[in-house]
Amino acid sequence: QVQLQESGPGLVKPSETLSLTCAVSGASITRDNWWSWVRQSPGKGLEWIGEIYQSGTTNYNPSFASRVTMSVDKSTNQFSLKLHSVTAADTAVYFCATLVVPAARFDYWGQGTLVTVSS
Amino acid sequence: EIVMTQSPATLSVSPGERVTLSCRASQSVNSKLAWYQQKPGQAPRLLIYDASTRATDIPARFSGSGSGTEFTLTISSLQSEDFAVYYCQQYFNWPRPLTFGQGTKVEI
Repeated sequence: QVQLQESGPGLVKPSETLSLTCAVSGASITRDNWWSWVRQSPGKGLEWIGEIYQSGTTNYNPSFASRVTMSVDKSTNQFSLKLHSVTAADTAVYFCATLVVPAARFDYWGQGTLVTVSS
Repeated sequence: EIVMTQSPATLSVSPGERVTLSCRASQSVNSKLAWYQQKPGQAPRLLIYDASTRATDIPARFSGSGSGTEFTLTISSLQSEDFAVYYCQQYFNWPRPLTFGQGTKVEI
């Protein structure tokens, strides 16, 4: 069973970079699925941010594409999210999840981590 | 971007009742639709994908139907553990943007 665990700062200042890591256990990050980020805020509900494959290929939501970076670290079996130039609107619970294609469903989820953007 | 609209926003029901939740897409998504259940403080849990295929270990009381723009999630006999928020998600033409509905809360 795949298990995912998000980690990172719970508080980020406006204009700075939000950085989160998702640790994968119970499976190799070279598994044949995509590694995704989804966030949830009271104002906008669930939002797909994007995903990355083991090769480093990424798909980003156009709404975030100009300020998001994702990466994979095979040596530590983790993948990461960086969201640059954050504002209060980026305050949300951030989830990492597995995305299985071609039915692009989110099979496994981390528990989520709350990130607050505030000075 | 395909907009997903769920109705109703809140549904008040009693255990044992049959529950029907609706999800509408702003354009056809064929059968590229998933349903999730989310309880407070937890991550969403995949229930249904491809509009009608139950995910692993999902009880048979959950069923999905529909295609095109109109979809339904049915819980045949609501159990106490089924009180939660339910979301639909389309994945038509992935990796075009994946989008979720705003959710339906099923409450007592």
